[in-house]
Amino acid sequence: GQQLNQSPQSMFIQEGEDVSMNCTSSSIFNTWLWYKQEPGEGPVLLIALYKAGELTSNGRLTAQFGITRKDSFLNISASIPSDVGIYFCAGQLNNQGGKLIFGQGTELSVKP
Amino acid sequence: ETGVTQTPRHLVMGMTNKKSLKCEQHLGHNAMYWYKQSAKKPLELMFVYNFKEQTENNSVPSRFSPECPNSSHLFLHLHTLQPEDSALYLCASSQSVREKLFFGSGTQLSVL
Repeated sequence: GQQLNQSPQSMFIQEGEDVSMNCTSSSIFNTWLWYKQEPGEGPVLLIALYKAGELTSNGRLTAQFGITRKDSFLNISASIPSDVGIYFCAGQLNNQGGKLIFGQGTELSVKP
Repeated sequence: ETGVTQTPRHLVMGMTNKKSLKCEQHLGHNAMYWYKQSAKKPLELMFVYNFKEQTENNSVPSRFSPECPNSSHLFLHLHTLQPEDSALYLCASSQSVREKLFFGSGTQLSVL
């Protein structure tokens, strides 16, 4: 079945550093979503992307929908300790009933 | 508060017990989902309900039995579970099956 390759699997950074993570697939997606999950909680939607080439920001977060429609990246600028968590990408196929395919997650640790 | 409430937050059960997980969404959505999240694995879709009708069962063992009495409530009935079923069970909802998902906080299940 379809798979998303999300990288890196984990990151250990210093507070104030910028962060970049990405997802790639062999499938073409019509929607890309980025979620953040904190310990003991469910994933929370950060950014939704609907068009190839689209670049969207949410505060210090910026995500882009790749022009090939097979990839997406998420950048976090000037990281802070509360950015800690697991970040998931998810791609949505328009066929197969709009099924959402999730990446494996990127675990982010921020050292004050 | 995401508008999706799951209870209980934590559950410990023996392999011979019967228990139920409950999910309620206050967002007026028409689609509801059960996902399983195990450590180091992507989110696994279990069931999809659209307008109270089950539209997807992702080859889930029969010891998991979902119930959707209306568009706002979703249950997952559990019986004779195995230790490998220990995981975080997440409920989600969306306006339709092609829309972005909103997750609850999950039920952390431990099967002894």
